[in-house]
Amino acid sequence: DTVLTQSPALAVSPGERVSISCRASEGVNSYMHWYQQKPGQQPKLLIYKASNLASGVPARFSGSGSGTDFTLTIDPVEADDTATYFCQQSWNDPWTFGGGTKLELK
Amino acid sequence: EVQLVESGGGLVQPGRSLKLSCLASGFTFSNYGMNWIRQAPGKGLEWVASISSSSSYIYYADTVKGRFTISRDNAKNTLYLQMTSLRSEDTALYYCARHRNYGSLDYWGQGVMVTVSS
Repeated sequence: DTVLTQSPALAVSPGERVSISCRASEGVNSYMHWYQQKPGQQPKLLIYKASNLASGVPARFSGSGSGTDFTLTIDPVEADDTATYFCQQSWNDPWTFGGGTKLELK
Repeated sequence: EVQLVESGGGLVQPGRSLKLSCLASGFTFSNYGMNWIRQAPGKGLEWVASISSSSSYIYYADTVKGRFTISRDNAKNTLYLQMTSLRSEDTALYYCARHRNYGSLDYWGQGVMVTVSS
């Protein structure tokens, strides 16, 4: 299976820029998607196919990358962005998710 | 407004069965592939199963293959997951999610808890 590796946690101050990385154990083309999950809520799609903003998602969120290295960027970070962020690949079977990066605000 | 509402979860003994349902509304259900995704307590997300819009294509994670069956009834706008031979490691919050562009999952239900314990 394709393993997606994310840093466990990050802490940033409101107004700063943050980059959350996701590294795949094998190439996934650009079929990488990003989700935000707040405590007690279901995941919400932010970015699909590496760099495409999902409907209704603020332009503060952006995605980049291809192959094995991908980044979700939030600029500027707001207090409401406190959440866990997951990457997911759909190029190789089975679809897999990263372990999640917990974003905390200072 | 797109809504996905799961039901059917609960506490079940190891080896027993349970059937989850996901009622969809706010979109043309028969036009979309659907998925089950699960999340063990305090853990990450695991894809469980997928079904195409007309049920022509069905896929399972190896961890559930042969024990779980995904199905759908487009006339009832409902997705199902029949789970048999349940194990403690199947304990999780089960989400149904709509398949969208390029394998992304654009809408998720609120989840239903399944606890497998004696």
